[in-house]
Amino acid sequence: EAGVVQSPRYKIIEKKQPVAFWCNPISGHNTLYWYLQNLGQGPELLIRYENEEAVDDSQLPKDRFSAERLKGVDSTLKIQPAELGDSAVYLCASSQGALAGEQFFGPGTRLTVL
Amino acid sequence: GDSVTQMEGPVTLSEEAFLTINCTYTATGYPSLFWYVQYPGEGLQLLLKATKADDKGSNKGFEATYRKETTSFHLEKGSVQVSDSAVYFCALNLNTGNQFYFGTGTSLTVIP
Repeated sequence: EAGVVQSPRYKIIEKKQPVAFWCNPISGHNTLYWYLQNLGQGPELLIRYENEEAVDDSQLPKDRFSAERLKGVDSTLKIQPAELGDSAVYLCASSQGALAGEQFFGPGTRLTVL
Repeated sequence: GDSVTQMEGPVTLSEEAFLTINCTYTATGYPSLFWYVQYPGEGLQLLLKATKADDKGSNKGFEATYRKETTSFHLEKGSVQVSDSAVYFCALNLNTGNQFYFGTGTSLTVIP
């Protein structure tokens, strides 16, 4: 069974440019998470979807970040415009949504903003 | 608020040494507890978990026991290997809505 797929793996952009990350969760997983991971830190939740509904986006900087999960499967996270401080690894994870269930993580997208 | 506190690293051990990485938590209700491992350049992988008090999670020689009285979930391994070098994250899931909270991670380096 395929794991969580993310693309691209690496992205280098100049500040003020837009950037988008794509995530394909494990088949059948209703819950999808986007996390931000700064160097030497743990993942910090940006947004959580249950199917196509964003149920927790309280930590998403909505002035520049947006996300969507059309049809409750794939998801895209966008930053526009990017700032230097956005340089980090963006992780996508999915779970079946059952209580106490584990999350399955993708390899992440490493973003560098110059 | 709900949170996880991990022992700060980095930790450097010789091969076959005993490992302990401390983790304590603050949570309302009865969370499930997890240890995730992240190898260089990869995403996080579940190492072990425990869903209720006194449960012991174990995998690949690693163990952790859910201690409600001390709100702890310390990770242990009796004899580490070079291949165990990675970053270890303690996490909790509030069993009320798929909310996960992660610690800051502890970097482990095992030298031959």
